Amino acid sequence: DAGVTQSPTHLIKTRGQHVTLRCSPISGHKSVSWYQQVLGQGPQFIFQYYEKEERGRGNFPDRFSARQFPNYSSELNVNALLLGDSALYLCASSPGQGDYEQYFGPGTRLTVT
Amino acid sequence: AQKVTQAQTEISVVEKEDVTLDCVYETRDTTYYLFWYKQPPSGELVFLIRRNSFDEQNEISGRYSWNFQKSTSSFNFTITASQVVDSAVYFCALSASGYSTLTFGKGTMLLVSP
Repeated sequence: DAGVTQSPTHLIKTRGQHVTLRCSPISGHKSVSWYQQVLGQGPQFIFQYYEKEERGRGNFPDRFSARQFPNYSSELNVNALLLGDSALYLCASSPGQGDYEQYFGPGTRLTVT
Repeated sequence: AQKVTQAQTEISVVEKEDVTLDCVYETRDTTYYLFWYKQPPSGELVFLIRRNSFDEQNEISGRYSWNFQKSTSSFNFTITASQVVDSAVYFCALSASGYSTLTFGKGTMLLVSP
């Protein structure tokens, strides 16, 4: 079975621009979470979506938004990019919202110049 | 609030040495889960283990073993007879029961040289 997939793999944007990152969960998984991993740090939770509804939000500004589609895939949008948004963005899927393991995708490396 | 501390930033060992990665956590929840993930240079987080807070039995899986001590809020990870392929960043993480959201430590980079 295919794992979590993310696109694109790498992305270079300029300050002030907008970016959309995409994630497809493992087949049968209904929950998707997004994490930001800055170089040298552990991943930090951004959002969790379950059954197309936001179920959790980390401490990130309103420039960050996300949504989940009927097929359970998800998009993470970041507006007005800052240099500090440069990071590896990881998507994780799990069967549901509760006590489940999260399975991570390969991530999208975003560089803001 | 939850917190995970991995005090060791980087550890260097020679192949075949045993190495222990430390993890200390803080949580007010009575039921929670602890995890270890491996992140090789490719970047993808690889799940290693999940442990329920009510299960303090140590676990062994091949060369890997985990020591959970609730009294000291620690969940340490030992690799026996390390190999070069074990070189990676290892993260300890915590989630509250009922939620799959993870709180990660800053990670420990393990370098195993031949």
